[in-house]
Amino acid sequence: EAQVTQNPRYLITVTGKKLTVTCSQNMNHEYMSWYRQDPGLGLRQIYYSMNVEVTDKGDVPEGYKVSRKEKRNFPLILESPSPNQTSLYFCASSSGQGPFYGYTFGSGTRLTVV
Amino acid sequence: AQTVTQSQPEMSVQEAETVTLSCTYDTSESDYYLFWYKQPPSRQMILVIRQEAYKQQNATENRFSVNFQKAAKSFSLKISDSQLGDAAMYFCAYNFGNEKLTFGTGTRLTIIP
Repeated sequence: EAQVTQNPRYLITVTGKKLTVTCSQNMNHEYMSWYRQDPGLGLRQIYYSMNVEVTDKGDVPEGYKVSRKEKRNFPLILESPSPNQTSLYFCASSSGQGPFYGYTFGSGTRLTVV
Repeated sequence: AQTVTQSQPEMSVQEAETVTLSCTYDTSESDYYLFWYKQPPSRQMILVIRQEAYKQQNATENRFSVNFQKAAKSFSLKISDSQLGDAAMYFCAYNFGNEKLTFGTGTRLTIIP
């Protein structure tokens, strides 16, 4: 089944403890992206990647890191999480060079930072 | 910067009736793409419909159709014969170029049995 797999689905952590949210897609998509969803703000892009070793900032990149060493994987790293990073996170991928056809989304990661 | 506005935070409709969700956007481009996504309580984001701006014909997918008014920069979603399973948050989104989809803030749709 074609899908984007995100883990974990839920995560509670403490301020300052480094964490990684994994994302993997099995559709050979070149384009991948991370979003965060907050009430009243919709979805906002954190980072995106158009291919292996090519990443760029989205609208809200502060406090996040990404890497794209393999085509299928695009992990999101929070080196020192803070409570304002409590949010619902989505990984997404798209065929082609960009999201013209829309995204295939992962099932989301609910992150709580206390 | 492109913006997407959904002015109705919440809507409700009787089961089997028709409801229209509004979306407007701001762009100076002529060729772009528009989308509606559905997010049920499971929180999975599901693509409902996609519209290419250079196509005059409004996109349809079964009970879902859009009213695309390019000059007015309006992209509303009509859901006919509403069903309980249509209850969800609906997001309108815009794309131009290869960077991202820009999303609106969402409309929460409630179906009244």
